[in-house]
Amino acid sequence: QLQLQESGPGLVKPSETLSLTCTVSGGSISSSSYYWGWIRQPPGKGLEWIGSIYYSGSTYYNPSLKSRVTISVDTSKNQFSLKLSSVTAADTAVYYCARLGVPRRYFDLWGRGTLVTVSS
Amino acid sequence: QSVLTQPPSVSGAPGQRVTISCTGSSSNIGAGYDVHWYQQLPGTAPKLLIYGNSNRPSGVPDRFSGSKSGTSASLAITGLQAEDEADYYCQSYDSSLSAMFGGGTKLTVL
Repeated sequence: QLQLQESGPGLVKPSETLSLTCTVSGGSISSSSYYWGWIRQPPGKGLEWIGSIYYSGSTYYNPSLKSRVTISVDTSKNQFSLKLSSVTAADTAVYYCARLGVPRRYFDLWGRGTLVTVSS
Repeated sequence: QSVLTQPPSVSGAPGQRVTISCTGSSSNIGAGYDVHWYQQLPGTAPKLLIYGNSNRPSGVPDRFSGSKSGTSASLAITGLQAEDEADYYCQSYDSSLSAMFGGGTKLTVL
Protein backbone atom coordinates (compact mmCIF):
# COMPACT_ATOMS: atom_id res chain seq x y z
CA GLN A 1 0.00 0.00 0.00
CA LEU A 2 1.58 3.23 -1.17
CA GLN A 3 2.16 5.90 1.47
CA LEU A 4 3.56 9.41 1.49
CA GLN A 5 5.39 11.02 4.41
CA GLU A 6 6.49 14.62 4.72
CA SER A 7 9.63 15.53 6.65
CA GLY A 8 11.58 18.67 7.42
CA PRO A 9 12.02 21.48 9.96
CA GLY A 10 8.91 22.62 11.77
CA LEU A 11 10.28 26.11 12.36
CA VAL A 12 11.86 28.42 9.78
CA LYS A 13 13.06 31.99 10.28
CA PRO A 14 11.68 34.84 8.16
CA SER A 15 13.60 35.46 4.92
CA GLU A 16 15.08 31.97 5.01
CA THR A 17 14.26 28.97 2.80
CA LEU A 18 11.70 26.36 3.75
CA SER A 19 12.77 22.84 2.74
CA LEU A 20 10.59 19.74 2.89
CA THR A 21 10.91 16.21 1.55
CA CYS A 22 8.20 13.71 0.73
CA THR A 23 9.16 10.04 0.88
CA VAL A 24 7.08 7.61 -1.16
CA SER A 25 6.93 4.08 0.23
CA GLY A 26 5.17 0.95 -0.99
CA GLY A 27 5.44 1.93 -4.63
CA SER A 28 7.60 3.66 -7.22
CA ILE A 29 7.74 7.39 -7.77
CA SER A 30 8.70 6.64 -11.37
CA SER A 31 5.22 5.59 -12.46
CA SER A 32 4.08 7.10 -15.74
CA SER A 33 0.54 7.43 -14.37
CA TYR A 34 1.21 10.06 -11.74
CA TYR A 35 2.59 13.44 -10.94
CA TRP A 36 3.56 14.32 -7.37
CA GLY A 37 2.48 17.52 -5.72
CA TRP A 38 2.70 19.90 -2.79
CA ILE A 39 -0.34 21.59 -1.27
CA ARG A 40 -0.45 23.82 1.79
CA GLN A 41 -3.12 24.96 4.24
CA PRO A 42 -2.61 27.97 6.53
CA PRO A 43 -4.16 27.51 9.98
CA GLY A 44 -7.93 27.79 9.74
CA LYS A 45 -7.87 28.44 6.00
CA GLY A 46 -8.31 26.58 2.74
CA LEU A 47 -6.07 24.51 0.48
CA GLU A 48 -3.53 26.08 -1.87
CA TRP A 49 -1.74 24.14 -4.59
CA ILE A 50 1.99 24.92 -4.65
CA GLY A 51 3.25 22.84 -7.55
CA SER A 52 3.65 19.40 -9.08
CA ILE A 53 6.47 17.33 -10.57
CA TYR A 54 6.74 14.29 -12.86
CA TYR A 55 9.40 11.64 -12.27
CA SER A 56 11.23 12.96 -15.32
CA GLY A 57 11.60 16.32 -13.58
CA SER A 58 8.91 18.22 -15.49
CA THR A 59 7.30 20.77 -13.16
CA TYR A 60 4.20 22.99 -12.88
CA TYR A 61 4.04 25.77 -10.31
CA ASN A 62 1.34 28.00 -8.88
CA PRO A 63 1.89 31.33 -10.67
CA SER A 64 1.50 33.23 -7.41
CA LEU A 65 4.41 31.31 -5.83
CA LYS A 66 6.49 30.48 -8.88
CA SER A 67 9.24 33.02 -8.21
CA ARG A 68 9.98 31.44 -4.82
CA VAL A 69 9.33 27.74 -5.39
CA THR A 70 11.52 24.88 -6.55
CA ILE A 71 10.29 21.28 -6.62
CA SER A 72 12.72 18.48 -7.42
CA VAL A 73 12.64 14.70 -7.58
CA ASP A 74 15.15 12.02 -6.60
CA THR A 75 14.01 8.75 -8.14
CA SER A 76 16.89 6.81 -6.55
CA LYS A 77 15.53 7.67 -3.11
CA ASN A 78 11.85 7.62 -4.14
CA GLN A 79 11.52 11.17 -2.85
CA PHE A 80 10.49 14.59 -4.07
CA SER A 81 11.24 17.88 -2.38
CA LEU A 82 9.98 21.42 -1.95
CA LYS A 83 12.01 24.57 -1.45
CA LEU A 84 10.25 27.88 -0.78
CA SER A 85 12.54 30.88 -0.49
CA SER A 86 12.22 34.23 1.30
CA VAL A 87 9.51 32.99 3.63
CA THR A 88 7.32 35.24 5.75
CA ALA A 89 4.71 34.58 8.43
CA ALA A 90 2.16 34.19 5.61
CA ASP A 91 3.90 30.96 4.63
CA THR A 92 3.04 29.36 7.98
CA ALA A 93 0.90 26.36 7.08
CA VAL A 94 0.43 22.64 7.12
CA TYR A 95 2.26 21.35 4.06
CA TYR A 96 0.94 18.21 2.37
CA CYS A 97 2.52 16.08 -0.31
CA ALA A 98 0.16 14.15 -2.54
CA ARG A 99 -0.05 11.90 -5.59
CA LEU A 100 -1.67 13.45 -8.65
CA GLY A 101 -3.25 11.09 -11.14
CA VAL A 102 -2.97 11.85 -14.82
CA PRO A 103 -4.58 12.63 -17.14
CA ARG A 104 -7.60 13.51 -14.99
CA ARG A 105 -5.46 15.42 -12.46
CA TYR A 106 -6.90 14.61 -9.08
CA PHE A 107 -4.97 14.11 -5.81
CA ASP A 108 -5.84 10.54 -4.86
CA LEU A 109 -3.34 9.93 -2.07
CA TRP A 110 -2.14 12.40 0.56
CA GLY A 111 0.51 12.48 3.26
CA ARG A 112 -0.52 13.33 6.80
CA GLY A 113 0.92 16.82 6.50
CA THR A 114 3.54 18.70 8.47
CA LEU A 115 3.15 22.07 10.17
CA VAL A 116 5.78 24.63 9.28
CA THR A 117 5.86 27.81 11.32
CA VAL A 118 7.73 30.88 10.12
CA SER A 119 8.92 32.84 13.12
CA SER A 120 12.09 34.36 14.50
CA GLN B 1 -9.68 34.90 -2.99
CA SER B 2 -10.08 31.47 -4.60
CA VAL B 3 -10.58 31.08 -8.35
CA LEU B 4 -13.29 28.51 -7.61
CA THR B 5 -16.13 29.84 -5.44
CA GLN B 6 -17.84 27.74 -2.79
CA PRO B 7 -20.32 28.75 -0.07
CA PRO B 8 -18.46 29.11 3.25
CA SER B 9 -20.96 26.93 5.06
CA VAL B 10 -23.97 24.67 4.65
CA SER B 11 -25.97 22.73 7.18
CA GLY B 12 -28.61 20.05 7.39
CA ALA B 13 -30.31 17.70 9.78
CA PRO B 14 -29.52 14.00 9.88
CA GLY B 15 -31.15 12.17 7.01
CA GLN B 16 -31.54 15.29 4.88
CA ARG B 17 -29.93 16.13 1.55
CA VAL B 18 -27.47 18.98 1.12
CA THR B 19 -25.65 20.33 -1.89
CA ILE B 20 -22.41 22.28 -2.17
CA SER B 21 -21.74 24.36 -5.24
CA CYS B 22 -18.45 25.17 -6.91
CA THR B 23 -18.44 28.00 -9.42
CA GLY B 24 -15.56 28.59 -11.80
CA SER B 25 -15.16 30.27 -15.17
CA SER B 26 -14.62 29.64 -18.86
CA SER B 27 -10.90 29.29 -18.10
CA ASN B 28 -11.27 26.24 -15.89
CA ILE B 29 -14.51 24.32 -15.30
CA GLY B 30 -16.21 25.91 -18.30
CA ALA B 31 -13.29 24.95 -20.53
CA GLY B 32 -14.13 21.30 -19.93
CA TYR B 33 -11.66 20.47 -17.18
CA ASP B 34 -12.73 17.92 -14.62
CA VAL B 35 -13.89 18.83 -11.12
CA HIS B 36 -12.87 16.76 -8.13
CA TRP B 37 -14.09 16.89 -4.53
CA TYR B 38 -12.30 16.27 -1.24
CA GLN B 39 -13.52 15.73 2.30
CA GLN B 40 -11.38 16.97 5.19
CA LEU B 41 -12.34 15.75 8.63
CA PRO B 42 -11.09 17.86 11.55
CA GLY B 43 -7.36 17.49 12.10
CA THR B 44 -6.79 15.18 9.16
CA ALA B 45 -5.51 15.36 5.59
CA PRO B 46 -8.03 15.80 2.76
CA LYS B 47 -9.44 12.63 1.25
CA LEU B 48 -10.56 12.20 -2.36
CA LEU B 49 -14.34 11.97 -2.42
CA ILE B 50 -15.35 12.42 -6.08
CA TYR B 51 -13.10 12.42 -9.15
CA GLY B 52 -13.79 13.25 -12.75
CA ASN B 53 -16.94 15.21 -11.89
CA SER B 54 -19.08 12.27 -10.79
CA ASN B 55 -16.99 9.20 -10.00
CA ARG B 56 -16.59 7.74 -6.52
CA PRO B 57 -13.34 6.06 -5.44
CA SER B 58 -13.69 2.63 -3.92
CA GLY B 59 -15.01 2.85 -0.38
CA VAL B 60 -16.89 6.14 -0.73
CA PRO B 61 -20.60 5.64 0.03
CA ASP B 62 -23.08 6.22 -2.77
CA ARG B 63 -24.68 8.90 -0.57
CA PHE B 64 -22.08 11.18 -2.13
CA SER B 65 -22.54 12.24 -5.74
CA GLY B 66 -21.13 14.88 -8.03
CA SER B 67 -22.26 16.68 -11.14
CA LYS B 68 -21.01 19.36 -13.48
CA SER B 69 -22.72 21.78 -15.83
CA GLY B 70 -21.25 24.73 -17.67
CA THR B 71 -18.94 26.68 -15.39
CA SER B 72 -20.18 25.05 -12.17
CA ALA B 73 -20.17 21.78 -10.31
CA SER B 74 -22.06 20.41 -7.34
CA LEU B 75 -21.55 17.88 -4.60
CA ALA B 76 -24.67 16.28 -3.16
CA ILE B 77 -24.87 14.36 0.08
CA THR B 78 -28.03 12.42 0.81
CA GLY B 79 -29.04 10.69 4.04
CA LEU B 80 -26.86 13.10 6.01
CA GLN B 81 -24.97 11.53 8.91
CA ALA B 82 -23.13 13.06 11.86
CA GLU B 83 -19.86 11.65 10.51
CA ASP B 84 -20.26 13.76 7.37
CA GLU B 85 -19.50 16.91 9.34
CA ALA B 86 -16.32 18.15 7.69
CA ASP B 87 -14.85 20.67 5.28
CA TYR B 88 -15.38 20.00 1.58
CA TYR B 89 -13.21 21.34 -1.26
CA CYS B 90 -13.64 21.32 -5.00
CA GLN B 91 -10.62 21.24 -7.30
CA SER B 92 -10.05 21.76 -10.99
CA TYR B 93 -7.34 23.14 -13.23
CA ASP B 94 -6.76 25.37 -16.23
CA SER B 95 -5.03 25.32 -19.58
CA SER B 96 -1.65 25.98 -17.98
CA LEU B 97 -2.18 22.80 -15.95
CA SER B 98 -2.28 24.84 -12.76
CA ALA B 99 -4.40 23.09 -10.15
CA MET B 100 -6.83 25.18 -8.14
CA PHE B 101 -9.03 24.62 -5.13
CA GLY B 102 -12.24 26.21 -4.01
CA GLY B 103 -12.22 28.10 -0.75
CA GLY B 104 -13.87 25.22 1.07
CA THR B 105 -17.31 24.66 2.59
CA LYS B 106 -17.91 23.72 6.20
CA LEU B 107 -20.76 21.23 6.55
CA THR B 108 -22.54 21.24 9.88
CA VAL B 109 -24.89 18.39 10.76
CA LEU B 110 -27.55 19.86 13.02
